[in-house]
Amino acid sequence: DVKVTQSSRYLVKRTGEKVFLECVQDMDHENMFWYRQDPGLGLRLIYFSYDVKMKEKGDIPEGYSVSREKKERFSLILESASTNQTSMYLCASSLGQGIKKLFFGSGTQLSVL
Amino acid sequence: DQQVKQNSPSLSVQEGRISILNCDYTNSMFDYFLWYRKYPAEGPTFLISISSIKDKNEDGRFTVFLNKSAKHLSLHIVPSQPGDSAVYFCAAYDYNNNDMRFGAGTRLTVKP
Repeated sequence: DVKVTQSSRYLVKRTGEKVFLECVQDMDHENMFWYRQDPGLGLRLIYFSYDVKMKEKGDIPEGYSVSREKKERFSLILESASTNQTSMYLCASSLGQGIKKLFFGSGTQLSVL
Repeated sequence: DQQVKQNSPSLSVQEGRISILNCDYTNSMFDYFLWYRKYPAEGPTFLISISSIKDKNEDGRFTVFLNKSAKHLSLHIVPSQPGDSAVYFCAAYDYNNNDMRFGAGTRLTVKP
């Protein structure tokens, strides 16, 4: 089974702090994604990556950046955290062409105070 | 602009009965549809999918129906079990534009 691991289950940060969310997958998947989940809004795509050192903006990239230095690792960075970035963050990976079936991590609940 | 809508935030069903979760979409370019299930403290997991060339796909107790003309799909769970209590997300995928959209989710509660 594919395992997607997110480094923290819960995180509390202060406004203005730089925040790193880490994600690692163990199945050699080419594609990796960062979503945020908010009540009533479903899952919204922040950034995705098709290959090492490649990144593409999703629907809501403002205030975020990403890094993919190794195939198995995809990091989400909040350069200066704000309260409206309080959310559940979900990392996902998938194999090959097209998105289709995603494998998700357990999520990181981030609270920005 | 939500292209995939799950209009029922919650659904409560008695154990043994049928659960029907609905999903509507607006973009006719979507050609592949998926359902994910999310338990508390876990990430969503893939449940079942359907291609736009089909109108039904079945996997055990789970059946997904697609009505392309109405831009509507539904997930049927028969019989429902308490372990099915979770949030269910509908997702739609446009292969040509490599675009996946999720609905807001429906929380299903199956009462013993």
